[in-house]
Formats: sequence, C-alpha cells, structure tokens
Amino acid sequence: DQQVKQNSPSLSVQEGRISILNCDYTNSMFDYFLWYKKYPAEGPTFLISISSIKDKNEDGRFTVFLNKSAKHLSLHIVPSQPGDSAVYFCAPSYSGNTPLVFGKGTRLSVIA
Amino acid sequence: DTGVSQNPRHKITKRGQNVTFRCDPISEHNRLYWYRQTLGQGPEFLTYFQNEAQLEKSRLLSDRFSAERPKGSFSTLEIQRTEQGDSAMYLCASSLGTGTYRANVLTFGAGSRLTVL
Repeated sequence: DQQVKQNSPSLSVQEGRISILNCDYTNSMFDYFLWYKKYPAEGPTFLISISSIKDKNEDGRFTVFLNKSAKHLSLHIVPSQPGDSAVYFCAPSYSGNTPLVFGKGTRLSVIA
Repeated sequence: DTGVSQNPRHKITKRGQNVTFRCDPISEHNRLYWYRQTLGQGPEFLTYFQNEAQLEKSRLLSDRFSAERPKGSFSTLEIQRTEQGDSAMYLCASSLGTGTYRANVLTFGAGSRLTVL
C-alpha cells in the first residue's frame, strides 16, 4: 500500500528554467509534508516543509505548494541550477510524532 | 557537532554471516531512526528510539534484525544470518523529538551500504 507516490522517476530541465516535482498521497491524516534532497553517496538532507494549514511555503528558489483536497503537493525550483541535480523525496507525516514515509523519489537533472 | 555518523560505510559479507552497524546521532537529539533504502526506492522505515526506548518497529524488521540504543546515545543495528535480500543502504537519522512538527525533521547520516554475496 503506497501512501506516497512520486510518479515521475526522472525529470530533465535546462539551467535557468523551472523544475516542478510532484507528489501524491493517500492518507488524509498527513498534516506535515517535507521534501528531502539526496546526492549520491550521501544521506538525504532536509530541503523545505509545509504544514497542512498552509497552501504555500517559499524558501529562496524553492517553493512547495499543497492542495489538500487533491492530496497533492509540488516542489518548484526556479531558477534551476546544475547543483540542484539530485534525487528529491517527498515525505509526509502526521501528529509530528510518527516516522516519515518516503516516496520513491524523482531524479532531477539540470542541464547547463 | 559533526552531524550523524555511521560506521562502517560499506560492508561486504557472505550469506549467513552476522553484521553490525553503528550510528552516532547528533548529541542533543533524543530520537534515532533506522531506515533501509534499496535501488530505486525511497528510505523505508525500520525502527526508532526515543532516548533508549525502542518505540516502534516496522514489519520489515524480521527476527534476524535487532537494534539497540544503550543509554540513549549511539545505536547499533545487527543483522543475523544475512541473506542476499538484505543488501541495501542502511540509513540512520536523528531528530529533536520534542513533539513539535519541526522535531520531525530528520538529519540523516551518509549510510552504511551492505552487500551480501
């Protein structure tokens, strides 16, 4: 039972353009959503998060949008840079106490 | 603080052998998690500790797996009688665990890669 789905295994974007990574979830109990970025041979690192009481959270070039009715969130990166090339994981949680559930990830390649 | 440290980084073993991984979390973090990641998958939760108490175990954690966190500091994950299906990256993470949403932000180590021949 996949509670979190990242349906695009990979995405290729030109430098300077917008990258949009999508995530769908099934559990309506999720109320806090995190994005992690992972480079090869490193552990995932926290990127940005959003609470269910918001529909948008922005941090520099990164913006996360949440559509609760559709159980969908997206991560926008603009402008995309070659250093953004990594695997991005969506990870929802609920109650603030439960272990994170991770999607399968989307591999982003930003081409110079 | 050097972050979350995991050792060894890479372990190659023969099927049937026992292996142990160690994780040293961020010192002020009282929660410690173990995840497993295989190729093309996201991290899968295995177990977590609040201080020295093991609070939850995934059904992925068979009887051959055991984790400890003596004195609420470092943790070990032992796999007995390894099988080829155990080959994966074993990730350790820690968090503040104060019950706030921010406390659920995990800081991961670089992982311990297990190869079972």
